Amino acid sequence: DTGVSQDPRHKITKRGQNVTFRCDPISEHNRLYWYRQTLGQGPEFLTYFQNEAQLEKSRLLSDRFSAERPKGSFSTLEIQRTEQGDSAMYLCASSLGLTGEKSDTQYFGPGTRLTVL
Amino acid sequence: RKEVEQDPGPFNVPEGATVAFNCTYSNSASQSFFWYRQDCRKEPKLLMSVYSSGNEDGRFTAQLNRASQYISLLIRDSKLSDSATYLCVVYGGATNKLIFGTGTLLAVQP
Repeated sequence: DTGVSQDPRHKITKRGQNVTFRCDPISEHNRLYWYRQTLGQGPEFLTYFQNEAQLEKSRLLSDRFSAERPKGSFSTLEIQRTEQGDSAMYLCASSLGLTGEKSDTQYFGPGTRLTVL
Repeated sequence: RKEVEQDPGPFNVPEGATVAFNCTYSNSASQSFFWYRQDCRKEPKLLMSVYSSGNEDGRFTAQLNRASQYISLLIRDSKLSDSATYLCVVYGGATNKLIFGTGTLLAVQP
């Protein structure tokens, strides 16, 4: 399978614990995005990388959240001191990084569903 | 006001019906527009892009009206397999992120 992969697919944790999620983008894609989706809502942007550079972070990304893409390939999203409000589906997407009208389709991974008890 | 607004539905339609979804966006600098489909507890998947005056793909037609900042999706001859949430998505302006609407739930009934 050459699509975007995410690990783990499901994570249950207790409030206050730290969790880390991994995303492996499509191999030739240089842009990688993280989104969060809660029930009944569309995905909300968290952050994105162009190669290894983190170029934008949403205000949703509190200081408990950190994302890295150290070699410009896979990325990790860490949440420290989890809260019940962090329960959501965390989606990763990647794209080639094209500009112009026929832009830059983002392909999503299957997501990591986080439940904080 | 949300940046992308959609009627959340649900839209309950019989097989074979034609159904239309509407979406408005607030940022006039937005560059590209998409419809994504999301099945229950799955990731969003690109259904179709919407360029310039719109485009058609089989039973699906997407229209864009930049002056009114309005996007639509028309599904003809609905199939049971079309049941899903349809997300209106806007890209660009001052940022490279996708901005999603809340989605419109479609349930096609036999």
